[in-house]
Amino acid sequence: AQSVAQPEDQVNVAEGNPLTVKCTYSVSGNPYLFWYVQYPNRGLQFLLKYITGDNLVKGSYGFEAEFNKSQTSFHLKKPSALVSDSALYFCAVRDEAGGYNKLIFGAGTRLAVHP
Amino acid sequence: SAVISQKPSRDICQRGTSLTIQCQVDSQVTMMFWYRQQPGQSLTLIATANQGSEATYESGFVIDKFPISRPNLTFSTLTVSNMSPEDSSIYLCSVQLAGGMNEQFFGPGTRLTVL
Repeated sequence: AQSVAQPEDQVNVAEGNPLTVKCTYSVSGNPYLFWYVQYPNRGLQFLLKYITGDNLVKGSYGFEAEFNKSQTSFHLKKPSALVSDSALYFCAVRDEAGGYNKLIFGAGTRLAVHP
Repeated sequence: SAVISQKPSRDICQRGTSLTIQCQVDSQVTMMFWYRQQPGQSLTLIATANQGSEATYESGFVIDKFPISRPNLTFSTLTVSNMSPEDSSIYLCSVQLAGGMNEQFFGPGTRLTVL
């Protein structure tokens, strides 16, 4: 079965510093990977995805993610964190079981950016 | 992307009652999904809403408890039946666009509290 793991419940970063939110995956077949962000009292917003091609994927709000097949990882990164980036981040993998493209989500990582 | 609205945005209900949540999309979509996000937890897929046929439920979710309708390509409802406090969650619908590149877009969610 497809799965993703987010090993950190919370990541604390000072504003202006680079940030990394970790995600590892386990899939049979080609991995289709996604990052979403959830701000307080709001739904999920799509950030970026990896389907195929370049290992470095660029997304919304200055975020990027690096796909690493040998380490089965898809870490989310940003060169310079903003206080407004503080939110809950979810990694997800597509599960094609049964012919439906459902998403399997990780447990989430809370990012706190301090001024 | 797609603009997705959900009604109601929140509700407080008595145990034993039922609540129907509506999801409306501004464009025709191939797939619609319903997720549950329990307090402080990740998202769990309840079911895939199929247009013109019965929904496909995930393990642990049954039609009698969570009946779903999808009368057309832009609208779906999820009913939470015979509610108990354990049903207190955020319920989110998501869509995958026709011909889209696999990402899902999420509605703002319905925050349900059962007393």
